[in-house]
Amino acid sequence: GAVVSQHPSWVICKSGTSVKIECRSLDFQATTMFWYRQFPKQSLMLMATSNEGSKATYEQGVEKDKFLINHASLTLSTLTVTSAHPEDSSFYICSAGRGGYTAFFGQGTRLTVV
Amino acid sequence: GENVEQHPSTLSVQEGDSAVIKCTYSDSASNYFPWYKQELGKRPQLIIDIRSNVGEKKDQRIAVTLNKTAKHFSLHITETQPEDSAVYFCAAPFEAAGNKLTFGGGTRVLVKP
Repeated sequence: GAVVSQHPSWVICKSGTSVKIECRSLDFQATTMFWYRQFPKQSLMLMATSNEGSKATYEQGVEKDKFLINHASLTLSTLTVTSAHPEDSSFYICSAGRGGYTAFFGQGTRLTVV
Repeated sequence: GENVEQHPSTLSVQEGDSAVIKCTYSDSASNYFPWYKQELGKRPQLIIDIRSNVGEKKDQRIAVTLNKTAKHFSLHITETQPEDSAVYFCAAPFEAAGNKLTFGGGTRVLVKP
């Protein structure tokens, strides 16, 4: 299947700082990527759709000024958690599709804000 | 948007027995239904999927059935093995089609040796 790579796999940051997470499609171009958040023992919740060359679209309840998304190329989307707080601690995971229905996921990033 | 409900939330089975997980969806226009397996701390892995033009699909010990009229689909795992222990998620397209997904709540499956 297609390969989606996410970096870093884990990060610990201090409260108030910002953290950038990268999502790359390694063997295909993705005009659209998706960012999900997963709290412990819960399901994956869609946060936003990352659109190459245009603004991201955010799901209801997700603060666009807190979760900055940039999709500057067909193989890279970044999610920046700004002014992180302990309640932002979660597993963040991206996905992309290669034109069809199948979604391929990155490895995920475990963010811990202390 | 789509709403996906998944049951049960936990499932404990004896090794060798079968496991069945059920999901219902709300959008009758949805046409693609994947199942993912997620091990602790790892990414979801697609294990099987089905499109709305068929009622059943099998891949070795796993199968998925779809009832479009009732808007539900199920995952069947036969001859369960300890390595089948994981969390399983069903999903449906967020907006009828495409790979933007809405996930069910997940089922934690424990296969006891």
